[in-house]
Amino acid sequence: SQQGEEDPQALSIQEGENATMNCSYKTSINNLQWYRQNSGRGLVHLILIRSNEREKHSGRLRVTLDTSKKSSSLLITASRAADTASYFCAARGSSNTGKLIFGQGTTLQVKP
Amino acid sequence: GAGVSQSPRYKVAKRGQDVALRCDPISGHVSLFWYQQALGQGPEFLTYFQNEAQLDKSGLPSDRFFAERPEGSVSTLKIQRTQQEDSAVYLCASSGTGLYGEAFFGQGTRLTVV
Repeated sequence: SQQGEEDPQALSIQEGENATMNCSYKTSINNLQWYRQNSGRGLVHLILIRSNEREKHSGRLRVTLDTSKKSSSLLITASRAADTASYFCAARGSSNTGKLIFGQGTTLQVKP
Repeated sequence: GAGVSQSPRYKVAKRGQDVALRCDPISGHVSLFWYQQALGQGPEFLTYFQNEAQLDKSGLPSDRFFAERPEGSVSTLKIQRTQQEDSAVYLCASSGTGLYGEAFFGQGTRLTVV
């Protein structure tokens, strides 16, 4: 498969807790992106981290990138019920096609 | 338009029928991607266009799948002689900021082959 791996596959937490999702990829990258998908809907871009960056923040989101381990993590702090969704990492290759390869996703359930 | 638009939203095809799925990217976006997403899985890359040029079609699963973007705007994904394993959501995305920016996705077309 061309896809990377994410873990856990499913995560269930209480509102207010933090959620951490991990992603591993296979190719050399220009950047690593995280997307969110609500059931039956399209994907929404959350955050992009470039290959020369190690950490990035956006609101309640914190992303880390370790290119030596080909891995990334997404932390959602102070989770809300509205954060319930599937989360995907996507590696943007450094080749001239800029192909975006997705992981299998983590399904997050935040209980009110 | 304001976002990426895909049509139809839902398509039911009898096995062996040909189908055509349409994608209207965000105006001015150079890059256009097609993905196939099976239930409970991440999107699988199918093909990539930069303007009208199809630079990568390595993800197309068979020669029954064909994509085009003749004027560098609207794109069509065609599936000939559909099979049950073609049932999936087909997602289109466009990206405007060079080769490496974020991608904006449409809502997808859910194809069911019966």
